[in-house]
Amino acid sequence: GENVEQHPSTLSVQEGDSAVIKCTYSDSASNYFPWYKQELGKRPQLIIDIRSNVGEKKDQRIAVTLNKTAKHFSLHITETQPEDSAVYFCAEESSGDKLTFGTGTRLAVRP
Amino acid sequence: DTAVSQTPKYLVTQMGNDKSIKCEQNLGHDTMYWYKQDSKKFLKIMFSYNNKELIINETVPNRFSPKSPDKAHLNLHINSLELGDSAVYFCASRDRGDTGELFFGEGSRLTVL
Repeated sequence: GENVEQHPSTLSVQEGDSAVIKCTYSDSASNYFPWYKQELGKRPQLIIDIRSNVGEKKDQRIAVTLNKTAKHFSLHITETQPEDSAVYFCAEESSGDKLTFGTGTRLAVRP
Repeated sequence: DTAVSQTPKYLVTQMGNDKSIKCEQNLGHDTMYWYKQDSKKFLKIMFSYNNKELIINETVPNRFSPKSPDKAHLNLHINSLELGDSAVYFCASRDRGDTGELFFGEGSRLTVL
């Protein structure tokens, strides 16, 4: 079945530094890879996504890279700010309209 | 305008009781979901409905029964509540268009005592 491993589970960075979160998936048919951000007590919200025909996508301070051969994808946040502190989830979708989430990474940005 | 709304937001109940959570979306999406988020923040899919038809049913105890009266509503009924059912339950909806973005409701925190 589908399995998404996410690392690290917790990450603490100094404001202004970069943060990188990595996910590995098992289903070679996976073709859609979104990232969600969940602030404390709030709902998860999409921040960026990438499809299997693209290797990298960037949106201001966040970027996602995808390596289909190695079956892993990563979220990169540059110039981190305190408001980036949240739990981040990767996810993958193969078929059947089912989005499977990673185990989450709690990011803390120290001011 | 709330895109995906759930009620109630908080639910505290005793073991053995039956409870329901309601969800409505006004985005015109065809597909709706229920996700369970436990105390470790794991987000697990439970059910998915496409245009009132059940399409995903994960290994969820049959005490959990979803019902979709129309494509804008997906309710979750839970019978004989157990301590392990305590979690935040998120409803979500999605359009199978270009983005594939999943829109979540605010969540319903269920506490079973």
